[in-house]
Amino acid sequence: EAQVTQNPRYLITVTGKKLTVTCSQNMNHEYMSWYRQDPGLGLRQIYYSMNVEVTDKGDVPEGYKVSRKEKRNFPLILESPSPNQTSLYFCASSLDRGYEQYFGPGTRLTVT
Amino acid sequence: AQKVTQAQTEISVVEKEDVTLDCVYETRDTTYYLFWYKQPPSGELVFLIRRNSFDEQNEISGRYSWNFQKSTSSFNFTITASQVVDSAVYFCALSEYGFRELSFGAGTTVTVRA
Repeated sequence: EAQVTQNPRYLITVTGKKLTVTCSQNMNHEYMSWYRQDPGLGLRQIYYSMNVEVTDKGDVPEGYKVSRKEKRNFPLILESPSPNQTSLYFCASSLDRGYEQYFGPGTRLTVT
Repeated sequence: AQKVTQAQTEISVVEKEDVTLDCVYETRDTTYYLFWYKQPPSGELVFLIRRNSFDEQNEISGRYSWNFQKSTSSFNFTITASQVVDSAVYFCALSEYGFRELSFGAGTTVTVRA
């Protein structure tokens, strides 16, 4: 089954404690993205990757890091989380940016 | 700057009414792609449609239809004879050939009452 998986699905953490949200896709897609969803703001792109070792900033990259060492994986790293990073996060993949995005189930992150 | 504007924050209708969601986009590219996604209360994001900038034909899929007008930079979505299961947040999105980023609108929450 074609899918994008994210882990964990829910995470409560404290300010400053480094965390990683994993994302994996099994469709051999080139393009992968991370988004955050906040009320009234829709989905905002954090980082994207066109292919292995190629990553770039989206609209709201501050406070986040990513890596793309393998085609299937695209982890999101918060080195020092802050309360304003409390949000719902989605990972997505697609053949290319002009094609439909396949979204993961989302990760609800709360930073206290 | 916001490249995709969904002016309607919330729409509430009674079952069987038609509902139209507006989407206005902004781009200087001649090649671009437009999308609609649905997010039901369960939270997942579901792809509905993709349209490229060279295809202005309207599309109908069951009770869903889309009206793409380049002259007004709009890509509106209509649900005909709405049902309770149509209650969701709907997002319009833009992918421009000259930009690697994807832009989503803020979303429109549709509530269909029985």
